[in-house]
Amino acid sequence: DAGVTQSPTHLIKTRGQHVTLRCSPISGHKSVSWYQQVLGQGPQFIFQYYEKEERGRGNFPDRFSARQFPNYSSELNVNALLLGDSALYLCASSLGQGEGYTFGSGTRLTVV
Amino acid sequence: QKEVEQDPGPLSVPEGAIVSLNCTYSNSAFQYFMWYRQYSRKGPELLMYTYSSGNKEDGRFTAQVDKSSKYISLFIRDSQPSDSATYLCAMREDWAGNMLTFGGGTRLMVKP
Repeated sequence: DAGVTQSPTHLIKTRGQHVTLRCSPISGHKSVSWYQQVLGQGPQFIFQYYEKEERGRGNFPDRFSARQFPNYSSELNVNALLLGDSALYLCASSLGQGEGYTFGSGTRLTVV
Repeated sequence: QKEVEQDPGPLSVPEGAIVSLNCTYSNSAFQYFMWYRQYSRKGPELLMYTYSSGNKEDGRFTAQVDKSSKYISLFIRDSQPSDSATYLCAMREDWAGNMLTFGGGTRLMVKP
């Protein structure tokens, strides 16, 4: 069975640009969460979606937005990129809100 | 002060040693405690998931939670070079909680 898949695996963007990251959860999983992991630090919560509704938002600026589609896949969008947005962006899926999360391998974003 | 503190290491041990990894936290509302293992360039992998205080054992891994001291531990018996990775503790306030709060991770190196 496929795990959580994220695309792209790497990308390089210029300051001020926009980026869209994509996540496909494990089949049957209805909850998707997004985390940002800066090098040398633990992941930080950005968003959670369950049944296509936003169920939680972390302490990130409005430049960050996300959505979940009817097939439970998800997109994370970041506008007006800053150098500090360079990080590994992780997507995690779970059956329901209270279950353990399975993480994907992440998208490594570099902003130059 | 961070909500969850974890010694970054690196912790270097010989193969076969017992490894002790620890986290302290300040939020007394945390009830669900997890340990993740993260290999380089990969997403975190769930190792242990415990609720409230007590011990939980799974193979070579034992997780301990002491809520009175706000202290959790992961013990690895008979450590192997393949255990070399970064270990992240994570916590959540309630069953349906949408946000995991991670420690910064401890880098473990097991030498043959």
